Amino acid sequence: DTGVSQDPRHKITKRGQNVTFRCDPISEHNRLYWYRQTLGQGPEFLTYFQNEAQLEKSRLLSDRFSAERPKGSFSTLEIQRTEQGDSAMYLCASRPDRGRVETQYFGPGTRLLVL
Amino acid sequence: DQQVKQNSPSLSVQEGRISILNCDYTNSMFDYFLWYKKYPAEGPTFLISISSIKDKNEDGRFTVFLNKSAKHLSLHIVPSQPGDSAVYFCAASRVGAGKSTFGDGTTLTVKP
Repeated sequence: DTGVSQDPRHKITKRGQNVTFRCDPISEHNRLYWYRQTLGQGPEFLTYFQNEAQLEKSRLLSDRFSAERPKGSFSTLEIQRTEQGDSAMYLCASRPDRGRVETQYFGPGTRLLVL
Repeated sequence: DQQVKQNSPSLSVQEGRISILNCDYTNSMFDYFLWYKKYPAEGPTFLISISSIKDKNEDGRFTVFLNKSAKHLSLHIVPSQPGDSAVYFCAASRVGAGKSTFGDGTTLTVKP
């Protein structure tokens, strides 16, 4: 049973550097979501894809953030010129178009620390 | 403007007793509600959900109640077990809208 996987699990970087995270959803899940979670808060929606199409982006997603899902399978989230405020857990989730309505399957997350 | 609120950051109950976790929402357009459970170093996992056309959904020890007029839902766990100790997130969606809006979570501790 392969769930949602994310790589890396942890990332420490210096302010101003670029970072890229990868998410591999559950096979055949059409929809893929990115969320950000900071300490003491719930996941905040960033963006989501249906297949390769990016259907919605949150206003939280500044110009420094970009997400792609080029072949409708895995996705990458890139943060350019990282800032200390970007330190958070970045969660990826996926779900099929059919099945239990709105239920999302989450990966373990990538914890980012910007020094 | 937080659309989904969990006003109790933490809850402690004795093993075998009932745990009641509460959630309030403000957006009347939400029509589907979910509870997720999260252990440390893991992503949230789906627990139970309810559509706005229902007022109760039960799955084993877990029951979710929805009061639409009050814009309030609750999760009941009976009986509580130490393995239930985790952070519980309430989430709300509009069917077909894609994303979910999460509360800030309630940390449940079940003492043996």
